[in-house]
Amino acid sequence: DQQVKQNSPSLSVQEGRISILNCDYTNSMFDYFLWYKKYPAEGPTFLISISSIKDKNEDGRFTVFLNKSAKHLSLHIVPSQPGDSAVYFCAASANNNDMRFGAGTRLTVKP
Amino acid sequence: DAGVTQSPTHLIKTRGQQVTLRCSPKSGHDTVSWYQQALGQGPQFIFQYYEEEERQRGNFPDRFSGHQFPNYSSELNVNALLLGDSALYLCASSLRYQGQWQETQYFGPGTRLLVL
Repeated sequence: DQQVKQNSPSLSVQEGRISILNCDYTNSMFDYFLWYKKYPAEGPTFLISISSIKDKNEDGRFTVFLNKSAKHLSLHIVPSQPGDSAVYFCAASANNNDMRFGAGTRLTVKP
Repeated sequence: DAGVTQSPTHLIKTRGQQVTLRCSPKSGHDTVSWYQQALGQGPQFIFQYYEEEERQRGNFPDRFSGHQFPNYSSELNVNALLLGDSALYLCASSLRYQGQWQETQYFGPGTRLLVL
């Protein structure tokens, strides 16, 4: 059951521009959302999160936006850097239980 | 400070065989979760161990079982392997009672299992 969907398998952005990665979910019980970043041959690493009581969370160049009514969240990276090139996974959790992951979006930032 | 380590890195088995994968958590972590990541998909939660007991389980058959040892390390066992079990198996460790434990979760590099 695809409760978390990332519909764009890949995204290419020029260095210095904004990267916007999108994620949709279907389960209204989800109350915590996270983004993970994965480099080749490494496990995913936690990037940023947001609780369902908020609509925005910012950490340096990374901002996550949550639209509960649309069951949609997005990750903005500004400005994008070549080192940001990786696979980004969106994940969601309900009641601090296990996470459901999306299929990932491969971001390529071109110099 | 070593992060999460997993062994072996790669493994080839044939259908019907059994496999054991191992995971050592990050120092200070007490909880281990296992995930299966098929090609082109995101990680799927298998189960989570804390205090040597299975605390949560995803939608996986009983062929998938696990264990956590007193030193917090963990094993994932898969019996009667099927071709569809071919995947990257990720182990992640975390601190159970630290608010949103998912934020403390560190993943290992994974074990790639190929079932022929």
